[in-house]
Amino acid sequence: EAQVTQNPRYLITVTGKKLTVTCSQNMNHEYMSWYRQDPGLGLRQIYYSMNVEVTDKGDVPEGYKVSRKEKRNFPLILESPSPNQTSLYFCASGTGTNYGYTFGSGTRLTVV
Amino acid sequence: AQSVTQLGSHVSVSEGALVLLRCNYSSSVPPYLFWYVQYPNQGLQLLLKYTSAATLVKGINGFEAEFKKSETSFHLTKPSAHMSDAAEYFCAVNPSGRRALTFGSGTRLQVQP
Repeated sequence: EAQVTQNPRYLITVTGKKLTVTCSQNMNHEYMSWYRQDPGLGLRQIYYSMNVEVTDKGDVPEGYKVSRKEKRNFPLILESPSPNQTSLYFCASGTGTNYGYTFGSGTRLTVV
Repeated sequence: AQSVTQLGSHVSVSEGALVLLRCNYSSSVPPYLFWYVQYPNQGLQLLLKYTSAATLVKGINGFEAEFKKSETSFHLTKPSAHMSDAAEYFCAVNPSGRRALTFGSGTRLQVQP
């Protein structure tokens, strides 16, 4: 089944403790992206990647890192999480944004 | 910067009534436009997309949207609402030449029995 898989689905952590949210797609998509969703703000792009070893900042990249060492994986790294990064995170992939993205099921992160 | 505006954060309709969710974009050239639906505790699912092939776009679950360049709008409609349509709907735009989707703030649709 074609899908984008994110893990974990739920995560509660403490301020400053490094964490990684994994994202994997099995559709051989070139484009991958991370979004965060907050009430009243819709989805805002954090980072995106056009291909292996090619990444770029989105609208809200501060406090996040990404890497794209393999085509299928695009992990999101929070080196020192803070409470304002409490949010619902989505990974997405696609052949190109002209065709829309396929989204993962989301990761709900709470930083206390 | 490219943006998209969804009018009405909450819309409530009766079952069987017309659904109209509004989306306006700002762009000097026609962009690529999308509607996504998000059911509770799920990710986003593509409903339909406009890529300049036709101004009236049909999507899944009986939804359709019409691209109107003169009004810079891409409103989502469905002739008859079902209870299962209750969800949050997002309009998104991809400005030509950019590799990112910009989302509106979303409209939560309630369907009353």
